[in-house]
Amino acid sequence: EVLLQQSGPELVKPGASVKIPCKASGYTFTDYNMDWVKQSHGKSLEWIGDINPNNGGTIYNQKFKGKATLTVDKSSSTAYMELRSLTSEDTAVYYCAIKYGNPYYAMDYWGQGTSVTVSS
Amino acid sequence: DIQMTQTTSSLSASLGDRVTISCRASQDISNYLNWYQQKPDGTVKLLIYYTSRLHSGVPSRFSGSGSGTDYSLTISNLEQEDIATYFCQQGNTLPTFGSGTKLEIK
Repeated sequence: EVLLQQSGPELVKPGASVKIPCKASGYTFTDYNMDWVKQSHGKSLEWIGDINPNNGGTIYNQKFKGKATLTVDKSSSTAYMELRSLTSEDTAVYYCAIKYGNPYYAMDYWGQGTSVTVSS
Repeated sequence: DIQMTQTTSSLSASLGDRVTISCRASQDISNYLNWYQQKPDGTVKLLIYYTSRLHSGVPSRFSGSGSGTDYSLTISNLEQEDIATYFCQQGNTLPTFGSGTKLEIK
């Protein structure tokens, strides 16, 4: 069974950074790219970018360049997203997801989401 | 970027009803249209990919159709567990999502 396990809620101060993990299991981690998606205030979804766990190659939504950095640790089958210089606009739920071998850019499996609250 | 529009933000229906949710792209997306279900607890699941292909384990009461810029998701025989918000997403270029349609029971 494919599982993407995300961490619990984060409360961070403005200007700080946060690194969110997504631990994958149930498949070969390096076979499928990991996507990250933002959902602000229970509203719509924004694609942040994706990473190829095999070679670390990344593609970012232009809007999130400089805000988000995607990395992986192959030894622990964990993907990470670091968000820097946080402001109230970064308060959101962040999801990891994978496209499990389909060529249609459909995200087959999702983590449960990590809530990030930026507040002093 | 391709803009995805779901003009109906919320929809109320009765159990057993047939419900259709619409989605429009700002340009032709060549059937690269996917539908997701988000439950009130935040859980997100893929329902349909490439316009009409049912994801593994999704009940057959869900179906999708469309072409060009206009697409729809249909739920036949609405069940209580279908109460959720439904998002469309285009995969023709870097992904963008619709704003969601919240389905409630009348």
